[in-house]
Amino acid sequence: DTGVSQDPRHKITKRGQNVTFRCDPISEHNRLYWYRQTLGQGPEFLTYFQNEAQLEKSRLLSDRFSAERPKGSFSTLEIQRTEQGDSAMYLCASSRGQGLYEQYFGPGTRLTVT
Amino acid sequence: AQSVTQLDSQVPVFEEAPVELRCNYSSSVSVYLFWYVQYPNQGLQLLLKYLSGSTLVESINGFEAEFNKSQTSFHLRKPSVHISDTAEYFCAVSANSGYSTLTFGKGTMLLVSP
Repeated sequence: DTGVSQDPRHKITKRGQNVTFRCDPISEHNRLYWYRQTLGQGPEFLTYFQNEAQLEKSRLLSDRFSAERPKGSFSTLEIQRTEQGDSAMYLCASSRGQGLYEQYFGPGTRLTVT
Repeated sequence: AQSVTQLDSQVPVFEEAPVELRCNYSSSVSVYLFWYVQYPNQGLQLLLKYLSGSTLVESINGFEAEFNKSQTSFHLRKPSVHISDTAEYFCAVSANSGYSTLTFGKGTMLLVSP
């Protein structure tokens, strides 16, 4: 069990560019979550997968955001046409099974849009 | 929908002093409650949780929190803090119904000085 990993850890991009982040959950965890954390705020829920199915999306997830989890393993979060307001820490978490299980968080990807 | 209020953005204390980090929540349904800790340059880690049963829950490193349904609170306490407890602490809530999307507070930075 190597924990949740995220790549890259830091990303600096220019406004208007597309970026993609990757999250590798703990193996055999079938639930995967994306959160966004801005300065001075707690993490805010973006979206959630059960295996490969995306079951819920927050209203924070605009049309420029898309997330996938092919084959129910790793997940990607893409932001198209980035804006300065997208600058934040993007957190991934995973948990196992049905019911309530602890969410294990990755270290996050810090995005800076210039 | 749920919401979490952490009234104190920063709490400075001296080593070996007691501390209380306040958390109040709002929800129209029954909830689960959590405290997460984020040490500098690390990911979020679950500190303790209330699911059901005893309203007083404890962590392995001396923290405790008490669920108070009438006051809708889940304050975190430690009788004697250490320098190593310096971190940001997030209170979170999820609805007591199926899968667990977490709603976080804004966080409280605990600063322990010698």
